[in-house]
Order: sequence, then structure tokens, then C-alpha cells
Amino acid sequence: SQKIEQNSEALNIQEGKTATLTCNYTNYSPAYLQWYRQDPGRGPVFLLLIRENEKEKRKERLKVTFDTTLKQSLFHITASQPADSATYLCALPNSGYSTLTFGKGTMLLVSP
Amino acid sequence: DAGITQSPRHKVTETGTPVTLRCHQTENHRYMYWYRQDPGHGLRLIHYSYGVKDTDKGEVSDGYSVSRSKTEDFLLTLESATSSQTSVYFCAITPNRDTRSYEQYFGPGTRLTVT
Repeated sequence: SQKIEQNSEALNIQEGKTATLTCNYTNYSPAYLQWYRQDPGRGPVFLLLIRENEKEKRKERLKVTFDTTLKQSLFHITASQPADSATYLCALPNSGYSTLTFGKGTMLLVSP
Repeated sequence: DAGITQSPRHKVTETGTPVTLRCHQTENHRYMYWYRQDPGHGLRLIHYSYGVKDTDKGEVSDGYSVSRSKTEDFLLTLESATSSQTSVYFCAITPNRDTRSYEQYFGPGTRLTVT
């Protein structure tokens, strides 16, 4: 299965700034990569899927990039708000594409 | 929430007792998953199912068994609970793989404490 690294330290930013989270993986480059949001006491919620040929994908204030050469995805939240505070997980499919491996997540804290 | 419910939502049990957690979905999704989530380890796959009576092991399957006798229910059983199985358990589904839609949708979770 994939080995995924996400920054274990919480990211603290001020409201209105852009938050950038990193997901690095070490095995084969998959056909797609996903990002999820998880709030305390709740299950993860799917945010975005980016395919290997897309390089960049946007959804409202979210932007995801996927660099298969660097084996890295960047997740950006522009004009961040306190409501964006949560843990963000990246996930990659395992061989066979029936299951996912999740990173441990990075906690984002947006202060007013 | 993709019509996924989990029961019970909270359970405290003693070491050595059997425990069954239930995941129920209402939309006939073929793929269902059981994860556990622990501090420092993140989400880890226990077992998954790709159809009625079709199941396979995940990363941390030791000590767990599953059954799926009908499409809507996926049961996770701890035959003899141990303290190391204290965790939050999440069920998930993948909707409609035929359209290459691979995202997963999660239930609300079950918090299990083994004393």
C-alpha cells in the first residue's frame, strides 16, 4: 500500500490568509488523489478528487495540485475562515483501486 | 451523509466479550468499508466488502471478522475484545464505481471502549 506523509504539526494561520497543506507519497503514482475534511467527533467528508492528468483542480475557495514527478499534492484554502478549522486528510488508492490509504492528516487552525 | 448509519454509537465492554458493530446503508452501494481511527495512526482499513458475501482483509484485520449477508448491512465483529481494540470505528461506502467515482462517504462513527 501507499506510504503517505502529511505534516503532523498543526498549521496556524490568520483569517483571510491562504492555507497550504502538503501531501507526499512514496510509492507508485496513482491515477488520482483525494482530499477529505474531518471535524472533531465526526467522520471524514470528501472534498476533492484530482486525476493524474489534471495538475490543478478548483472548487470554490479550494485548490488542489497534483505533481506526479514530485509525488506531491498541495491543498490550498484561499481567504481562510475560522470555519475552515479542521483536520485535512489526503488519500490515495491502493493497487487494484478497491481501497484507499489515508494520511494521518494535518490540523488547520484559523484564528479571527 | 450518503444514508449511512452505524450502531451502536457508543459502547463500553469488558475484555474478552464479543462485540458486533453494524453499518447500514440505504442506497444499494456495492462497496463498504470498516476503518478504525486512533491518535497517531490515522484511519486504517480493517475489512471491506465488494458485494454480498464478498469480503477481503485490510491493513489491520487481526482480531476482527466481518459479514455481509445483504447489500445494506455490513457487520464488524470483535470475537473477543481486547483493550487494544479501544478505538473509533468508521464505516464507509463508495458510490457508483461504474462511473469511476471513487470517493468514500463515511458514517458517524462508533466509539468503542474495552475495559
